[in-house]
Amino acid sequence: AQSVAQPEDQVNVAEGNPLTVKCTYSVSGNPYLFWYVQYPNRGLQFLLKYITGDNLVKGSYGFEAEFNKSQTSFHLKKPSALVSDSALYFCAVPQAGGGADGLTFGKGTHLIIQP
Amino acid sequence: KAGVTQTPRYLIKTRGQQVTLSCSPISGHRSVSWYQQTPGQGLQFLFEYFSETQRNKGNFPGRFSGRQFSNSRSEMNVSTLELGDSALYLCASRHPQGKNNEQFFGPGTRLTVL
Repeated sequence: AQSVAQPEDQVNVAEGNPLTVKCTYSVSGNPYLFWYVQYPNRGLQFLLKYITGDNLVKGSYGFEAEFNKSQTSFHLKKPSALVSDSALYFCAVPQAGGGADGLTFGKGTHLIIQP
Repeated sequence: KAGVTQTPRYLIKTRGQQVTLSCSPISGHRSVSWYQQTPGQGLQFLFEYFSETQRNKGNFPGRFSGRQFSNSRSEMNVSTLELGDSALYLCASRHPQGKNNEQFFGPGTRLTVL
């Protein structure tokens, strides 16, 4: 079964510092990986995805993610954190099954940016 | 282009009742997926519909069901509500071209079961 793991429940970063939110994956075949963000009382917003190609993927709001095949990781990064980045972040992978949809999510990581 | 819309946004029911939630996907999107989000279990996949057919189903009891109409709008129904069904129910739509395109989520329906 396809799965992702987010080892940290919460990450605290000072404003202006770089941030990293960790994700590791377990998939069969080529990995397809996503990051989503959820602000309070809102649905999820797509940040970025890895399909194939460059190991550094750029996304929305200045976020990027680094795909590392040997470490089976897909960590979310941003060079300089903003207070407005404080939110709940989810890593996700498509469920197995030809032609069918559905995502399997990690448990989520609360990112708190301190002024 | 309008985003994914879900109605109602908030709902309060009592145990044993049933509830129907509605989702209108982005125009042109034919795939609709439903998810349940709770503090304890996180985000869990319920089911996915494409062209009025359920293509994939998560590990939920038969009390949870859904359907999709010819205009791609979708409904999910929960019968015989339990306290544990209190959750945020999220709907997402996806453009049919490319299985691994991103999904677009609605704001969710917050269901409270008393």
